[in-house]
Amino acid sequence: QVQLKQSGPGLVQPSQSLSITCTVSGFSLTSYGVHWVRLSPGKSLEWLGVIWRGGSTDYNAAFMSRLSITKDNSKSQVFFKMNSLQADDTAIYYCAKGYGNHFWYFDVWGAGTTVTVSS
Amino acid sequence: DIQMTQSPASLSASVGETVTITCRASENIYSYLAWYQQKQGKSPQLLVYNAKTLAEGVPSRFSGSGSGTQFSLKINSLQPEDFGSYYCQHHYGTPPTFGGGTKLEIK
Repeated sequence: QVQLKQSGPGLVQPSQSLSITCTVSGFSLTSYGVHWVRLSPGKSLEWLGVIWRGGSTDYNAAFMSRLSITKDNSKSQVFFKMNSLQADDTAIYYCAKGYGNHFWYFDVWGAGTTVTVSS
Repeated sequence: DIQMTQSPASLSASVGETVTITCRASENIYSYLAWYQQKQGKSPQLLVYNAKTLAEGVPSRFSGSGSGTQFSLKINSLQPEDFGSYYCQHHYGTPPTFGGGTKLEIK
């Protein structure tokens, strides 16, 4: 059974960084890409970036300067880090499995990490 | 970036009715379109990809159509479990972008 389990803080101070770990099971990170998407209050879904099976990454240009996605294949973990968070980064952050490597749609999603940026 | 425009933003319907949600892309995306359903407090679920291919396990009352810039998702004979939010998303490369969503509510 394919699963993505997320762990990370719920509250982040303004200007601080957000780190979320996505631990996958039921598939290998050497075969599929893992994407990150967020849902902000009152807004729609927004794609943030992806790490492909070979380890290369693509980022949404709007976040490129403050976003990093890495992984550890042996531990089946993907690591998401976004710097310099502000109030408008308050959102639910999801990791999601790509349908195949280099596919830009997502067939299995994590449960989401609710992040509030506030002092 | 390609802009995706969904309509309507909200929709009220009864069990058993048929509804259609439309999605327009700001440029030609051929058939590279996906639809997702999201229920309150849950993560999105893939319904359709490549504009008309149903994802595994999706009931046949769902159907997708369209190509180019105009797309639609049709739900025949609405069931109670169909209520929630629906999003279109182009998958014609980077960055993939989503429509604003359609909230389908029970009348």
